[in-house]
Amino acid sequence: AQKVTQAQTEISVVEKEDVTLDCVYETRDTTYYLFWYKQPPSGELVFLIRRNSFDEQNEISGRYSWNFQKSTSSFNFTITASQVVDSAVYFCALSENTGNQFYFGTGTSLTVIP
Amino acid sequence: EPEVTQTPSHQVTQMGQEVILRCVPISNHLYFYWYRQILGQKVEFLVSFYNNEISEKSEIFDDQFSVERPDGSNFTLKIRSTKLEDSAMYFCASRGDRGVETQYFGPGTRLLVL
Repeated sequence: AQKVTQAQTEISVVEKEDVTLDCVYETRDTTYYLFWYKQPPSGELVFLIRRNSFDEQNEISGRYSWNFQKSTSSFNFTITASQVVDSAVYFCALSENTGNQFYFGTGTSLTVIP
Repeated sequence: EPEVTQTPSHQVTQMGQEVILRCVPISNHLYFYWYRQILGQKVEFLVSFYNNEISEKSEIFDDQFSVERPDGSNFTLKIRSTKLEDSAMYFCASRGDRGVETQYFGPGTRLLVL
């Protein structure tokens, strides 16, 4: 079974639209960490956010916001007023209490059309 | 801002040849990782390394793979006899020592096996 599921393979939006990228995770650990990374066309993995399992506060950083809901095992990512530079593949990842490997989702490819 | 660096950025090799991918983790980090990403697919964990030994490895990390920290700064991944299916982007990552922290990824090495 997949530990991290990103059901949306590809999303296209028009510039300035809001877009939400979904992430559902599965773990038996009570302590775990969730992450979002951005992979632009250049290929590197850019860290966006980390959330631990005890902190369900939603977070906003500029145009980015994250909605963590333990009840539904989801950690969704919203970009408001999308821009062309947001075009990238976005990966959600889970790290369990052992703190070793990351489990990545399959990624969501976001295209923002000017 | 400190960052993980990787060399080379691209490598082309013939099937059966040995390759060594190099990484310089962030200087005060103690945990090191290798991941790979086959083109268009998700990022997959290969191996984690701490205190000069492998702490965890995946099924992908078979006998043809090895890792080494030959000095105080470099962290290498060796593929002994490359196969066509080893063609992928290889990411190095590192993290600090305080609990489960963010893994910071290098820019990757794109390996092409012909």
